[in-house]
Amino acid sequence: DIQMTQSPSSMSASLGDRVTITCQASQDIGNNLIWFQQKPGKSPRRMIYYATNLANGVPSRFSGSRSGSDYSLTIISLESEDMADYHCLQYKQYPLTFGSGTKLEIK
Amino acid sequence: EVKLVESGGGLVQPGRSLKLSCAASGFNFNDYWMGWVRQAPGKGLEWIGEINKDSSTINYTPSLKDKFTISRDNAQNTLYLQMSKLGSEDTAIYYCAREGPYWELFDYWGQGVMVTVSS
Repeated sequence: DIQMTQSPSSMSASLGDRVTITCQASQDIGNNLIWFQQKPGKSPRRMIYYATNLANGVPSRFSGSRSGSDYSLTIISLESEDMADYHCLQYKQYPLTFGSGTKLEIK
Repeated sequence: EVKLVESGGGLVQPGRSLKLSCAASGFNFNDYWMGWVRQAPGKGLEWIGEINKDSSTINYTPSLKDKFTISRDNAQNTLYLQMSKLGSEDTAIYYCAREGPYWELFDYWGQGVMVTVSS
């Protein structure tokens, strides 16, 4: 199975901060990665698909990037509504595998 | 409007079976692969498996392949997850999700249904 190592597991940041969350893939997955946001008690919401593409309706302060086997989700200016858990998912190879998640809190 | 609505969850005793449903509307169900994902309390997301448009291909995460069965009824626009030999480790929220082509992959999710395995 492809392991997705997600970091950090939790973080706290201030409004307006630039925030970056990373997933490292244990094998080549190309750009076959999705980022999800999940607020408490809610279903996951797709934020970024194919590693770098902004999903419909997602604010432009979110972006996705790739450097080799490292994939990043960046929020360029943190807003209060961004407090949530974030998950990455690789779909290059079966079984599909998620990262362990990042809990983002607002200071 | 695309909607996915899960049902069939609840409290079930260890070793018993349970069947979840996911009713789809607002899109042509026949044109999409569909999948199931679960989330144990306080834990991350786990992909369970997926089914293609005509049920000819079903993929599972290996650890669940012998316990869970995914099926669909295109006439009823409904996806199913049959779970057997349930244990406490299966206690989770179960989500169905649309698995379209890459630009629509996991773009819509149901609200989730809770399954609690306990005596």
